[in-house]
Amino acid sequence: QQQVKQSPQSLIVQKGGISIINCAYENTAFDYFPWYQQFPGKGPALLIAIRPDVSEKKEGRFTISFNKSAKQFSLHIMDSQPGDSATYFCAASIGEGNQGGKLIFGQGTELSVKP
Amino acid sequence: KAGVTQTPRYLIKTRGQQVTLSCSPISGHRSVSWYQQTPGQGLQFLFEYFSETQRNKGNFPGRFSGRQFSNSRSEMNVSTLELGDSALYLCASSDPRDSNEKLFFGSGTQLSVL
Repeated sequence: QQQVKQSPQSLIVQKGGISIINCAYENTAFDYFPWYQQFPGKGPALLIAIRPDVSEKKEGRFTISFNKSAKQFSLHIMDSQPGDSATYFCAASIGEGNQGGKLIFGQGTELSVKP
Repeated sequence: KAGVTQTPRYLIKTRGQQVTLSCSPISGHRSVSWYQQTPGQGLQFLFEYFSETQRNKGNFPGRFSGRQFSNSRSEMNVSTLELGDSALYLCASSDPRDSNEKLFFGSGTQLSVL
């Protein structure tokens, strides 16, 4: 119930294309869904996050789509650039208080954007 | 503001030894979390500290322990190292006044156990 399943494991996209990464969860108590971006040799960096009360959130070229009934959420990267080549992780957590700092991560997607 | 600082960057140990990793959070952040990252298991939560108290713990054996000091700096310790402990250990800090969940990660300590 604590798992977050992420797909695909790897993704190759042409420059200018749309990258789509999907995640699914089981625990309906999750109420915070962030996406992190990680470059080699660096720690993950928060990209964008959403809560279940909205179905979509957009920040620049990055959009999260959230489907509460299906317990799925996805990251869309529009106009993908070679600089977007990195590993992307979805995650989920259960609110504030005692669950502070605890994120359940998906397995990651290695994105490669070809010039 | 300086980011999360982890030391050392790389560490090589042998089985049976113990190791201590250090983390300095972003100034003003009082919550520090630790994660283990491996190719097989991905990112797994170890524990979280706030105001020198462990608030949350993941499913790791008791060989993994941590502490937080009054200045919010944190250390984690792994005793009786096993080959499977080889991993990237990441520290993250957050400001509960903003959001407990918005984590800022350091670059990690790469631990190799031989």
